[in-house]
Amino acid sequence: DQQVKQNSPSLSVQEGRISILNCDYTNSMFDYFLWYKKYPAEGPTFLISISSIKDKNEDGRFTVFLNKSAKHLSLHIVPSQPGDSAVYFCAASENNNDMRFGAGTRLTVKP
Amino acid sequence: EAGVAQSPRYKIIEKRQSVAFWCNPISGHATLYWYQQILGQGPKLLIQFQNNGVVDDSQLPKDRFSAERLKGVDSTLKIQPAKLEDSAVYLCASSLRGNAANTIYFGEGSWLTVV
Repeated sequence: DQQVKQNSPSLSVQEGRISILNCDYTNSMFDYFLWYKKYPAEGPTFLISISSIKDKNEDGRFTVFLNKSAKHLSLHIVPSQPGDSAVYFCAASENNNDMRFGAGTRLTVKP
Repeated sequence: EAGVAQSPRYKIIEKRQSVAFWCNPISGHATLYWYQQILGQGPKLLIQFQNNGVVDDSQLPKDRFSAERLKGVDSTLKIQPAKLEDSAVYLCASSLRGNAANTIYFGEGSWLTVV
């Protein structure tokens, strides 16, 4: 069962522009959401998270937005840099247990 | 601070053979996870240990997969016998307490190809 979905397998943006990565979930009991970034031949690394009691969390160039009614979250990267090129995984958990991952979106930032 | 160590990095085996992966978590991390990532999919939790006890193994195919963490530090994941569909990256991860998802640190993964 795919409780966390990333419907765009890839995204290409120009350097300096905004990158928007989307994620949808089906389990209304999820209360903690995360984004992980993965470079080739490396393990995923934590990027940013948001609790269900918030609708926005910002960390430098990265902002995560949560829309609970739509069961949707998004990651905004502004401005995008070539070093941001990676696969981004959305993840969600209930009571910090059994974190479920989406299939990932490959972001390519072109110079 | 040393990260999560895994070995071997790459393994190719024939179906019905067995394979074992080893993981050394970050020092002091009580919680250890094994994830399976099939190409084109996100990581899927196989098993979670808290110290040397199993917290969650609901998605572990127990007829062929086994894992242990005898002394609450290192862990091994074994597959016997392997099937073609077991081809994946096996990611080990660890966290301090297991109750704060954003503190999960992943290793580089062990890439398994079953032919």
